[in-house]
Amino acid sequence: DTAVSQTPKYLVTQMGNDKSIKCEQNLGHDTMYWYKQDSKKFLKIMFSYNNKELIINETVPNRFSPKSPDKAHLNLHINSLELGDSAVYFCASSQETQGFGNTIYFGEGSWLTVV
Amino acid sequence: KNQVEQSPQSLIILEGKNCTLQCNYTVSPFSNLRWYKQDTGRGPVSLTIMTFSENTKSNGRYTATLDADTKQSSLHITASQLSDSASYICVVSGGSWGKLQFGAGTQVVVTP
Repeated sequence: DTAVSQTPKYLVTQMGNDKSIKCEQNLGHDTMYWYKQDSKKFLKIMFSYNNKELIINETVPNRFSPKSPDKAHLNLHINSLELGDSAVYFCASSQETQGFGNTIYFGEGSWLTVV
Repeated sequence: KNQVEQSPQSLIILEGKNCTLQCNYTVSPFSNLRWYKQDTGRGPVSLTIMTFSENTKSNGRYTATLDADTKQSSLHITASQLSDSASYICVVSGGSWGKLQFGAGTQVVVTP
């Protein structure tokens, strides 16, 4: 049973296109996240939702728009893709928000390549 | 400047040997420190979580230590196995919102 699943795993697309990455968690967690891992391997938080409400929105271009239809799903839509958007995007979830000492469970990642 | 620094950047060890990875942080106020293992092409998996009052925590052959006074942590791998080859990421929670600050990771390669 996959705890945090995201699709697609690989995505190659042209500049200017719009694409979405979907994420679902079956752990019953209240909080979900999107992280970006760049070429230097740093993970940086982009967004965090708690019970479908946006609680963290880091300095991310407004071309990125998260959507949480319910607390088990957090999708990421990206408009007008740019070369610099190429990265690995990780969805994650935890029972409470990240400040508490609870485990954060990550998905397998979505490799986005913009050409 | 990143608030979580890890060393070494990479490490090659022989199967069966031990190794220790270091993490220094400047995140303040401090909430907790986590170590994650990330296999190539996979998502990070939690190994340990330590709060201010905990000095050491083990998970199988992985033992993490924390010195909150000097703001240092280490991850010790005992009797390494080929499956230990991965990136090990130190993550510190603190500051505003308990925000997680990630280190760049130490790439460990275990050779036969």
